Amino acid sequence: GDSVTQMEGPVTLSEEAFLTINCTYTATGYPSLFWYVQYPGEGLQLLLKATKADDKGSNKGFEATYRKETTSFHLEKGSVQVSDSAVYFCALSERGGATNKLIFGTGTLLAVQP
Amino acid sequence: DAGVTQSPTHLIKTRGQQVTLRCSPKSGHDTVSWYQQALGQGPQFIFQYYEEEERQRGNFPDRFSGHQFPNYSSELNVNALLLGDSALYLCASSLSVGGPYNEQFFGPGTRLTVL
Repeated sequence: GDSVTQMEGPVTLSEEAFLTINCTYTATGYPSLFWYVQYPGEGLQLLLKATKADDKGSNKGFEATYRKETTSFHLEKGSVQVSDSAVYFCALSERGGATNKLIFGTGTLLAVQP
Repeated sequence: DAGVTQSPTHLIKTRGQQVTLRCSPKSGHDTVSWYQQALGQGPQFIFQYYEEEERQRGNFPDRFSGHQFPNYSSELNVNALLLGDSALYLCASSLSVGGPYNEQFFGPGTRLTVL
């Protein structure tokens, strides 16, 4: 079945460092791809999404490009802040499926130090 | 405009008991999905409700059941609780119209501890 694999954490960075969190997927169809963020004690928030190959999703300085040839959707940010500390989840949703259910990776904890 | 709300926030039960969790969707949304998030893991899809019917189900036993009411709110019931059912239970709402790309809005979750 469909699945998402993302790099294990924790990822510890200093403020203003460059961030990359790797995400690859396996899907029988042509999925939509998402990054969600979970701050401590809170639910999930959609960070960005891409629905077709070569689409770039972006929000709050974060970017990810849908790469069909490498089945990847890596999250990047040029300069992280302490407030970016959270758990980041890569996810996919089947196109043409019965529902918009999400399949998540295991999450990557990001800790940004001042 | 209230987002997705869930109750209770925390719950402690013992093995073998039954539990009911509640969810109110974001205003205007008609579809509710439930996810289980074990500690250190990503959320796992339990099921989705639309028009008071279970639309799709993940790989969870029949001990997990749900309901959707005419006002679109939803309940998740878990019978015969096991220690492994301890997790954060997330509710997400979305609009059915527009196909499978509709964003799901998540609630803050209910933390269930089974002793």
